[in-house]
Amino acid sequence: GAVVSQHPSRVICKSGTSVKIECRSLDFQATTMFWYRQFPKQSLMLMATSNEGSKATYEQGVEKDKFLINHASLTLSTLTVTSAHPEDSSFYICSARDGRERGKLFFGSGTQLSVL
Amino acid sequence: AQSVSQHNHHVILSEAASLELGCNYSYGGTVNLFWYVQYPGQHLQLLLKYFSGDPLVKGIKGFEAEFIKSKFSFNLRKPSVQWSDTAEYFCAVGGGYNKLIFGAGTRLAVHP
Repeated sequence: GAVVSQHPSRVICKSGTSVKIECRSLDFQATTMFWYRQFPKQSLMLMATSNEGSKATYEQGVEKDKFLINHASLTLSTLTVTSAHPEDSSFYICSARDGRERGKLFFGSGTQLSVL
Repeated sequence: AQSVSQHNHHVILSEAASLELGCNYSYGGTVNLFWYVQYPGQHLQLLLKYFSGDPLVKGIKGFEAEFIKSKFSFNLRKPSVQWSDTAEYFCAVGGGYNKLIFGAGTRLAVHP
């Protein structure tokens, strides 16, 4: 089946640095990718919708200048957490929509970000 | 406001026991409902979905869910669980496969 690869799986960084998370669809073209954030024991919260070749659409309350999303190709979307703070520590998950299978979603394995 | 509520955060069962995980939603417009499963160390995977038609939907691995519109519910069931069903289960609602709203998840532990 379709696979979405997300890297890194875990990252620890110092406060003030930037971290880039990659999300790749390995065997299908994903015109749309979604980025979620999950706090412990809480729901996956949609952060933004990423469309290839255009600007991402951010959900209310998500700072677009802090969470930079780039979807430069049909198989790659990146999320960059800029000037990370400890409160940005969270689990980030991407998903990609496969246009072939009635838009079925496939999820990455997630990235645990810890900001010290 | 759109939301999904999963009543049980943690469920512990013995093998062969029956399972029912509750899911209630609040959503405006045409509703599409999903159950996703995440096995330890693996990706989220689609277990089953409801778009339209028969409100009783069957998914993979013997799971089924029933959409009850009057109760705004989409509970997940399995008549006899196995140890390999140990995982976290997420209910989600959305307009197609677009912006999905997820519940907080239910961790299921099945003991041999």
